[in-house]
Amino acid sequence: QKEVEQDPGPLSVPEGAIVSLNCTYSNSAFQYFMWYRQYSRKGPELLMYTYSSGNKEDGRFTAQVDKSSKYISLFIRDSQPSDSATYLCAMSRTGNQFYFGTGTSLTVIP
Amino acid sequence: DVKVTQSSRYLVKRTGEKVFLECVQDMDHENMFWYRQDPGLGLRLIYFSYDVKMKEKGDIPEGYSVSREKKERFSLILESASTNQTSMYLCASTLAGGPTDTQYFGPGTRLTVL
Repeated sequence: QKEVEQDPGPLSVPEGAIVSLNCTYSNSAFQYFMWYRQYSRKGPELLMYTYSSGNKEDGRFTAQVDKSSKYISLFIRDSQPSDSATYLCAMSRTGNQFYFGTGTSLTVIP
Repeated sequence: DVKVTQSSRYLVKRTGEKVFLECVQDMDHENMFWYRQDPGLGLRLIYFSYDVKMKEKGDIPEGYSVSREKKERFSLILESASTNQTSMYLCASTLAGGPTDTQYFGPGTRLTVL
C-alpha cells in the first residue's frame, strides 16, 4: 500500500466552479500536510501548508485535514484558467522526509 | 525569495555514460533532496542530505549516488546511465526539519537516456 494515495484525474471544470482535490494516507504519524501546484515543465511550488488537523484558508484556496479519517482536501473557489496545473499533496512525519501523492491534473475551461 | 537552480533543463545521454546533475540553493538551507518524477508514480525520493558531506538514502537510491561538498550545492550522479533512468529529476531544499519548514523546488532536469 502506498503511503499517500491521490486520484490522478484528469479533472476538467468550467471557470468559476468550486474544485475539490483529495488525498488519503496510511501513516497516522504524519503531522505536516502540504499542497503543491505544478505547471507543465516546471518544478512544484508550495501552495498551502497545514500542521495537524483543521482548516487553513488563503484567498481562494482552503486546505482541510481530517487526521481521524486520514484524509486531506484542497478546495479552490471561483476557479480560473490560470489554476490549470497538476496539484500534488505531500505529507511528513518529522518535517525532514516528505511523501508525495502522484498528483491530480486539473483543467479549468474558460 | 528562495531560489533553487538546476544545471540543465534538458539532458540527453547514452546508456553507460556517467551523468552529473547539479543543484544549487542560495538561502543557506540545511537540507537538500533529489527526487525523480514519473507519470503515475509521483515524486520518489532518491537521496537527501542534512549537512555538508552527509547523505541519507531515500526510497530508490539504486543506481545513484550523491555528493555534498558545499552547503549550497547537492549533486546527483548516475554512475552508469540506463534507459530506465529516463525521468524528470527535481532538486529541493529546506531550511531545517521542523513544524514550519517546507520544501522549495528547482525547475527540474528532464533526462533522456538513449
